[in-house]
Amino acid sequence: QIQLQQSGPGLVKPSQTLSLTCAISGDNVSSNSVAWFWIRQPPSRGLEWLGRTYQRSKWFNEYAVSVKGRITIDPDTSKNQFSLHLNSVTPEDTAVYYCGRSTAALIDYWGQGTLVTVSS
Amino acid sequence: QPVLTQAPSASAPLGASVKLTCTLSSGHSNYAIAWHQQQPEKGPRYLMKLNSDGSHRKGDGIPDRFSGSSSGAERYLTISSLQSEDEAEYYCQTWGGSYVFGTGTQVTVL
Repeated sequence: QIQLQQSGPGLVKPSQTLSLTCAISGDNVSSNSVAWFWIRQPPSRGLEWLGRTYQRSKWFNEYAVSVKGRITIDPDTSKNQFSLHLNSVTPEDTAVYYCGRSTAALIDYWGQGTLVTVSS
Repeated sequence: QPVLTQAPSASAPLGASVKLTCTLSSGHSNYAIAWHQQQPEKGPRYLMKLNSDGSHRKGDGIPDRFSGSSSGAERYLTISSLQSEDEAEYYCQTWGGSYVFGTGTQVTVL
């Protein structure tokens, strides 16, 4: 049974960096047949993909155009987890953030979600 | 990049069936999709992967009353014997250089 456990602060000040971690059990972040992603959902809105990381012969990262330049997704093989870092946040980055796994680019596991509010 | 089109809402009485549609844009009719359920105030839950030939693979613990089928560019999710807990938003998802989502269908159980 694969489980994804998210952790991180629920309140971030404008211009600072939002950081969340997704701990994996039942699978391995280095698995070469899946990808690990972050998606967010602003209040009362749809789902927005932010980026993903995956290992094949080496590590790959892909990011959405909307956040490129502000986002980093880091795998941590020693802790079997991956993290999201989004810098220079504004109130428009307020959302519920979800981590998850996809296989053949189709999402098959979700984390529980973390509400992050950007406010001073 | 594919576009996924979903009707904004659907409804059916308790115990009845409802069939939701996700339509792939032109040129992408052979794409597989995934269906996800989001109950009020909860995170999304993976339901199944659905291929163009109608074969599908459900997630852990998904009841038998959830089933999938395909016809051309359309991907269907059928919920039989509707329960109150099935009242939720249902999203389809695929890949097109990024994760692509439909706008969701809100299911109401009457």
